[in-house]
Amino acid sequence: GAVVSQHPSWVICKSGTSVKIECRSLDFQATTMFWYRQFPKQSLMLMATSNEGSKATYEQGVEKDKFLINHASLTLSTLTVTSAHPEDSSFYICSATRLAESTDTQYFGPGTRLTVL
Amino acid sequence: KNQVEQSPQSLIILEGKNCTLQCNYTVSPFSNLRWYKQDTGRGPVSLTIMTFSENTKSNGRYTATLDADTKQSSLHITASQLSDSASYICVVSSYNTDKLIFGTGTRLQVFP
Repeated sequence: GAVVSQHPSWVICKSGTSVKIECRSLDFQATTMFWYRQFPKQSLMLMATSNEGSKATYEQGVEKDKFLINHASLTLSTLTVTSAHPEDSSFYICSATRLAESTDTQYFGPGTRLTVL
Repeated sequence: KNQVEQSPQSLIILEGKNCTLQCNYTVSPFSNLRWYKQDTGRGPVSLTIMTFSENTKSNGRYTATLDADTKQSSLHITASQLSDSASYICVVSSYNTDKLIFGTGTRLQVFP
């Protein structure tokens, strides 16, 4: 149990376009979802935390207007990278926590590789 | 400042050999420590979790140790296999924050 999926697994887009990444908890309801970014040979960096039905909380230095997060249901959160630029190319990973579990028990998705040309 | 440091940064070993990865942390108050395995291009997968009172935890060929006094943890891999090639990330939780504190990882390569 506790499976998290992401779609797409990889995406290539032109500079200036917007890209939407989906994160779904397949077999549980997620109270909180997290979005991370990972550059090559580096560890995960938290971008934002989102709870169903409320606005996401962004980490310092993360532009909320550029990285739009929507957490419309207990099983789905989306990250939209608006007006993407080559420096946004990265590996984006989401995680989710289950109801009745603490937020430090996070189940990670498989990640989405974004390449902006 | 809450920090998690791992060593070595990278490691190459031959198939069948054992290895030990290190994790030092300065997180306080400490809640728990997890080791994750992350295959290239994939999300992290949990290997072990240890709380303050636990000294060792095993998961198959993976054995993690925790010394809460010295704030050190290790992950020992026995009889390595090619599929063990991955990054291993030490992650520490604190009671006074919802955020996980990630180490920079150790990249392990197992060669035949």
